[in-house]
Amino acid sequence: EADIYQTPRYLVIGTGKKITLECSQTMGHDKMYWYQQDPGMELHLIHYSYGVNSTEKGDLSSESTVSRIRTEHFPLTLESARPSHTSQYLCASSESRGARNTIYFGEGSWLTVV
Amino acid sequence: KNQVEQSPQSLIILEGKNCTLQCNYTVSPFSNLRWYKQDTGRGPVSLTIMTFSENTKSNGRYTATLDADTKQSSLHITASQLSDSASYICVVSDRGSTLGRLYFGRGTQLTVWP
Repeated sequence: EADIYQTPRYLVIGTGKKITLECSQTMGHDKMYWYQQDPGMELHLIHYSYGVNSTEKGDLSSESTVSRIRTEHFPLTLESARPSHTSQYLCASSESRGARNTIYFGEGSWLTVV
Repeated sequence: KNQVEQSPQSLIILEGKNCTLQCNYTVSPFSNLRWYKQDTGRGPVSLTIMTFSENTKSNGRYTATLDADTKQSSLHITASQLSDSASYICVVSDRGSTLGRLYFGRGTQLTVWP
């Protein structure tokens, strides 16, 4: 059972609003990730972190930002939401070492911008 | 370009029947291949992880095979159950970067009918 939690699970907000999606894991993992997934499509990496104070942009251009002040916490922020940001956002974490390290995903946050 | 292609895109089978899902990839240099199960509206859950030297890996009624020479993998589900209805995602990792970049397929949507 994965100990990685995302809040909120579902959110509907208006255009231009600021939103922060929360992600926490209690497994002590150094690596954390944010993915974006549209229905029926593959996951796209938008941000990742190797550890505290380490954040990098992923493959998919995103107007969101992330922070990693604590090992267990990796929030994602949209300063000004737009309808194009409507999607599912998945947070994940994994251990640093080993090619066989399991990547654990949260349950996802469904964001709808109207 | 590194890619992961899955087939079929969708599949309907009757409860109790077996099925096989396919994954072809072009990711290089190859590190490992993972199969995930994603229930509708949930985050992906790991089923199997295989490295270059492994040909087969089982997890209950799920058996994954890997042919690293032809860059093909399959996921065989035995005696399907209604709860097997989900999207099955093939994920390939490279070892060309510190991150161990993950390449996701679009998934095969499996529906099991009673």
